Amino acid sequence: QVQLQESGPGLVKPSETLSLTCTVSGGSISNYYWSWIRQPPGKGLEWVGYMYNSGSTNYNPSLKSRVTISVDTSKNQFSLKLNSVTAADTAVYYCARQGGYWGQGTLVTVSS
Amino acid sequence: QAVVTQEPSLTVSPGGTVTLTCGSSTGAVTSGHYPYWFQQKPGQAPRTLIYDTTYKHSWTPARFSGSLLGGKAALTLSGAQPEDEAEYYCLLSPGGADWVFGGGTKLTVL
Repeated sequence: QVQLQESGPGLVKPSETLSLTCTVSGGSISNYYWSWIRQPPGKGLEWVGYMYNSGSTNYNPSLKSRVTISVDTSKNQFSLKLNSVTAADTAVYYCARQGGYWGQGTLVTVSS
Repeated sequence: QAVVTQEPSLTVSPGGTVTLTCGSSTGAVTSGHYPYWFQQKPGQAPRTLIYDTTYKHSWTPARFSGSLLGGKAALTLSGAQPEDEAEYYCLLSPGGADWVFGGGTKLTVL
């Protein structure tokens, strides 16, 4: 069974870049849609973006100018970078695979 | 970007049946939106109940089912249990296009 695990800093300063990695086990990262989803404290889920075909991407229009999703097939990982962060980017960030497989999520707080 | 609409809250009696819906501001929801349904309890990650309109995971209780109903995606719970009290989110995920979550439905079993 495929498993996903997010990793990265839990605290990021305003204006800096948030960087997270999702490590996939139990299956290849080739094929499928691989996505990032976030949830601000006490709020609903927000789609951040996805990658498919090991390189094609699509991003939430509200975040598009600040987001990059990339893949490292040799490590079976994909990554999220969100630059110029503000307090509004504080959220639990989840990685997920097409078909409904999710990581457990990681809280990222933007604060000085 | 489309706006995806869910009922903000619903209440069901134990053992009862309830249907949650997921509509799109752009028109009818179809199988081409590959609708998902997630259950989230406080302090937990979302858990996928339904994907691609009707498909269940091995962990999805048999009392949950997905369908298309009146131009919307629908999640039906038949025989509600106290442990089904949770927030439920739908996701419309058309291939190659923008994905959008609904705002969630808070389901109370009472």
